[in-house]
Amino acid sequence: QVQLQQWGAGLLKPSETLSLTCAVSGGSFSGYYWNWIRQPPGKGLEWIGEINHRGSTNYNPSLKSRVTISVDTSKNQFSLRLSSVTAADTAVYSCARGHPTAAAGMGYFDYWGLGTLVTVSS
Amino acid sequence: DIQMTQSPSSLSASVGDRVTITCRASQSITSFLNWYQQKPGKAPKLLIYAASSLQSGVPSRFSGSGSGTDFTLTIISLQPEDFATYYCQQSYSTPRTFGQGTKVEIK
Repeated sequence: QVQLQQWGAGLLKPSETLSLTCAVSGGSFSGYYWNWIRQPPGKGLEWIGEINHRGSTNYNPSLKSRVTISVDTSKNQFSLRLSSVTAADTAVYSCARGHPTAAAGMGYFDYWGLGTLVTVSS
Repeated sequence: DIQMTQSPSSLSASVGDRVTITCRASQSITSFLNWYQQKPGKAPKLLIYAASSLQSGVPSRFSGSGSGTDFTLTIISLQPEDFATYYCQQSYSTPRTFGQGTKVEIK
């Protein structure tokens, strides 16, 4: 069974850098895209970006200037860094496996981490 | 970006009811449309992928249909555990985008 376990700091001050890591176990790390998705309290889902095992990335243009997603294939882990955070970045951040297929295009998100609430407050 | 619009935003239904949720894309996404169920405090759960394919382990009372710009999630005979928020998501292009969600509440 594929499991995604995530961790990182939950309280940040404005202008600091958000840093989260997600470890993948129970399945192959290659052949998929590894995603970060966030959800502000009481609001909908926003895709942040993705990376594959080769390090190829795609980012949401709305966040691209502040986002870096990296991968450590030796540990089956991938990480998110979001710089210069503000209160608007307060959200639950989740990692998820993206499963691209011919029928599903760029892929669906079939396994998710439990989510980390990141609060930005002075 | 492709905009995804769900309707209704919320609905009240009773156990045993048939429920239909609609998702419209701002441009054609062929069949690259996925549906998720989210319960409070939990991660979203994949229900349907590629517009109409049922994810393994998901009850057959859930079904999806549509192509192009208009899609539907149907729950026949709503069960108590189905009260949740449902999201559609397009996997046609980057950035991936979600609908705003449809909250299914108990009548």
